[in-house]
Amino acid sequence: DIVMTQSPDSLAVSLGERATINCKSSQSVLYSSNNKNSLAWYQQKPGQPPKLLIYWASTRESGVPDRFSGSGSGTDFTLTISSLQAEDVAVYYCQQCYSSPPTFGQGTKLEIK
Amino acid sequence: QVQLQESGPGLVKPSETLSLICTVSGGSISSIGSYWGWIRQPPGKGLEWVGSIYYSGSTYYNPSLKSRVTISVDTSKNQFSLKLSYVTAADTAVYYCARHVGYNYGRIDYWGQGTLVTVSS
Repeated sequence: DIVMTQSPDSLAVSLGERATINCKSSQSVLYSSNNKNSLAWYQQKPGQPPKLLIYWASTRESGVPDRFSGSGSGTDFTLTISSLQAEDVAVYYCQQCYSSPPTFGQGTKLEIK
Repeated sequence: QVQLQESGPGLVKPSETLSLICTVSGGSISSIGSYWGWIRQPPGKGLEWVGSIYYSGSTYYNPSLKSRVTISVDTSKNQFSLKLSYVTAADTAVYYCARHVGYNYGRIDYWGQGTLVTVSS
């Protein structure tokens, strides 16, 4: 199985500031056939299911605010929130969709400083 | 807008079989390119993929659970189901049903609200 490791485990950022979450896969998730990285990001608020934010490492899901962006390739990926809003407090997960079984990072808890 | 809703017992005894049903509304479970999956999350912990199914009946399981898992589909009812046998306390979790996009382990764009299943005597 591909192991997904996120850093940091928790993060406190001031409102309006940038938040950056990292995700590293134990092997490349880049499809050579289409040059796309099979990596997704989810946001989970307490008592709710995860919500898809980003797929193909950098494509924003419909309806997701543009302050959320994804980047990276191969084994190293980043989720950036450009200007933190109060409603962004949540746990964020990365997921590789490159091979079965799909696996998730351990999660990063984002709080307001 | 596709919606998914899990249903089933919230308490299961050790060594028995956990059974859940997911009802899909707002779309057809036979939709081409939609794969229907189960993901679980132990209280306070991360996410684990259990398995998925296509409307044709093709199934895909996590090797770590494969010997105990059965996923089936009922296209006439727009439902799919999960059975997990010989459960232990380690199977206590919120179980989500979900839709994978494009292939059996693709990104997940729709999730149910989740149902907590506790394994206890």
